[in-house]
Amino acid sequence: KAGVTQTPRYLIKTRGQQVTLSCSPISGHRSVSWYQQTPGQGLQFLFEYFSETQRNKGNFPGRFSGRQFSNSRSEMNVSTLELGDSALYLCASSPRDSQETQYFGPGTRLLVL
Amino acid sequence: AQSVAQPEDQVNVAEGNPLTVKCTYSVSGNPYLFWYVQYPNRGLQFLLKYITGDNLVKGSYGFEAEFNKSQTSFHLKKPSALVSDSALYFCAVRDKRSGGSYIPTFGRGTSLIVHP
Repeated sequence: KAGVTQTPRYLIKTRGQQVTLSCSPISGHRSVSWYQQTPGQGLQFLFEYFSETQRNKGNFPGRFSGRQFSNSRSEMNVSTLELGDSALYLCASSPRDSQETQYFGPGTRLLVL
Repeated sequence: AQSVAQPEDQVNVAEGNPLTVKCTYSVSGNPYLFWYVQYPNRGLQFLLKYITGDNLVKGSYGFEAEFNKSQTSFHLKKPSALVSDSALYFCAVRDKRSGGSYIPTFGRGTSLIVHP
């Protein structure tokens, strides 16, 4: 099976812009989670989607949002970008929920200038 | 609430020597425990997990981990380190209790450096 794919891999934006990141899970996986990874804060959970519904949400401002489509593909959106949003954004998929192994994509490296 | 601690930011070991990367956890119920590895500019790769059963779990690339309930630890080990094992290692925990968070909590990571 193909692994988790994320697009784009690299992105440069300026403050105030918005950005949309995409994640395609492993075929048959229905749970998609998003994480933000920074050197200072480590891995922080953003949200999890299952069957097109947000099932869990981390402690991030409303500028961070996401959605999941019927084919389990997921997108996350960050509006009004701030310098502190510069990070590696990781997507992970699992068959049902994350009590099972999560499989991570390569990430999208976002740089906000 | 659940939490995980990786007390060492960095572990240095000579190639061929055994390595240990430490992880301790806290959950209200029983834990699911995971180890992941991250190479530079890559996502996390699954190494091994403890769900139930034998306390010694064997995983990918010769790694193993021992679940110790009394010490609430899940240390990652390898008998003989390779230079190619140099990477960032993450421990993660999830509470098994139904109704607990479905989302695992990750440690801050331990950088393993294996010297030739």
